[in-house]
Amino acid sequence: AQKVTQAQTEISVVEKEDVTLDCVYETRDTTYYLFWYKQPPSGELVFLIRRNSFDEQNEISGRYSWNFQKSTSSFNFTITASQVVDSAVYFCALTENSGYSTLTFGKGTMLLVSP
Amino acid sequence: EPEVTQTPSHQVTQMGQEVILRCVPISNHLYFYWYRQILGQKVEFLVSFYNNEISEKSEIFDDQFSVERPDGSNFTLKIRSTKLEDSAMYFCASSDRSNTEAFFGQGTRLTVV
Repeated sequence: AQKVTQAQTEISVVEKEDVTLDCVYETRDTTYYLFWYKQPPSGELVFLIRRNSFDEQNEISGRYSWNFQKSTSSFNFTITASQVVDSAVYFCALTENSGYSTLTFGKGTMLLVSP
Repeated sequence: EPEVTQTPSHQVTQMGQEVILRCVPISNHLYFYWYRQILGQKVEFLVSFYNNEISEKSEIFDDQFSVERPDGSNFTLKIRSTKLEDSAMYFCASSDRSNTEAFFGQGTRLTVV
């Protein structure tokens, strides 16, 4: 069965610090998809990135970057020069190719960025 | 920008009552989902819906739950006889194809008293 583990429950940083959120996953499928979602204090879930299992290239989008390593089953998320507006709960999620795109979420990491 | 819309944003109901949570998915999307998040916990899959039928459901989605797409735009989740433990945020989501990103609504906070 698929599983996503986010071992960091809560991280506190000061503005402008870099922070990395860890995500480790388990799946039996060779084709799968990984996602990160952001849940700000207002409660909605905001899509950040999707990555398929055949694409191990790291991705950068502004201050956000993602490091996908199949060898360690990890899909880590780094925020560079964090800002107070980055404060949110971040969820890593997985869907297997055999399903109807149902997402299995990790427990989330709460990031608190203080000024 | 197209978005998933959920109503109401907050609903309070008495234990044993029926509730219907409503969602309007993004118009050209074909896959629809309900997830729930008990306060402070992770987001859990309930059910997926494609081609006018349930395609997958979790063990949480028991006989007290049902989904319906009554017309071309709405997607509803009905809870027949609510229990205290049904109190949670319920998220509707949609996607345009399989294994692509799902876009979530802002959620309906259900409080059962």
